Amino acid sequence: AQSVAQPEDQVNVAEGNPLTVKCTYSVSGNPYLFWYVQYPNRGLQFLLKYITGDNLVKGSYGFEAEFNKSQTSFHLKKPSALVSDSALYFCAVRDMNRDDKIIFGKGTRLHILP
Amino acid sequence: EPEVTQTPSHQVTQMGQEVILRCVPISNHLYFYWYRQILGQKVEFLVSFYNNEISEKSEIFDDQFSVERPDGSNFTLKIRSTKLEDSAMYFCASPRNYSGNTIYFGEGSWLTVV
Repeated sequence: AQSVAQPEDQVNVAEGNPLTVKCTYSVSGNPYLFWYVQYPNRGLQFLLKYITGDNLVKGSYGFEAEFNKSQTSFHLKKPSALVSDSALYFCAVRDMNRDDKIIFGKGTRLHILP
Repeated sequence: EPEVTQTPSHQVTQMGQEVILRCVPISNHLYFYWYRQILGQKVEFLVSFYNNEISEKSEIFDDQFSVERPDGSNFTLKIRSTKLEDSAMYFCASPRNYSGNTIYFGEGSWLTVV
């Protein structure tokens, strides 16, 4: 069964600084990996995904994530944080071989300090 | 424009009452998923539905839950006799097309059981 770990409940970053939100995963087959963002009282908004190919994937709002197979990680990054990036971020995995449901991490609250 | 539309956006119901949450995709989707998120917490998988049948369900999805596709477009989640602990945000999700690997989420239905 697949699982996702987000080790940080909250990450605080000063505006303009780079940010990283950590994610590691476990899946029996090859993974599809995703990041979703949730703003207060809103749904889950797709940010980016890794399916195959280049390990560095770019997504919405200047975010990117790096797939590292040996470390089974998929950390979310952004070179320069904005206050508007403050939200709840979820890493998720889908087992490519099972064409299956998405399983989410517990979420990391990103707080960008002005 | 969202890929998936959910109604109602918010519903308050008395304990023991039946609730029906609805989901409508933009295009003719075959795969549907329901997830639940208790206030600000982890997003939990409830059930996946493919081609008018349940393909997988979680431990949360007990006998009080059911899913249907009554008219070929709407997709519903029914909670037969609501409990206080059913209070949560319920998300419908679906890929964009049959071979889509990204699952898009609706804005959610916020259920409050009193």
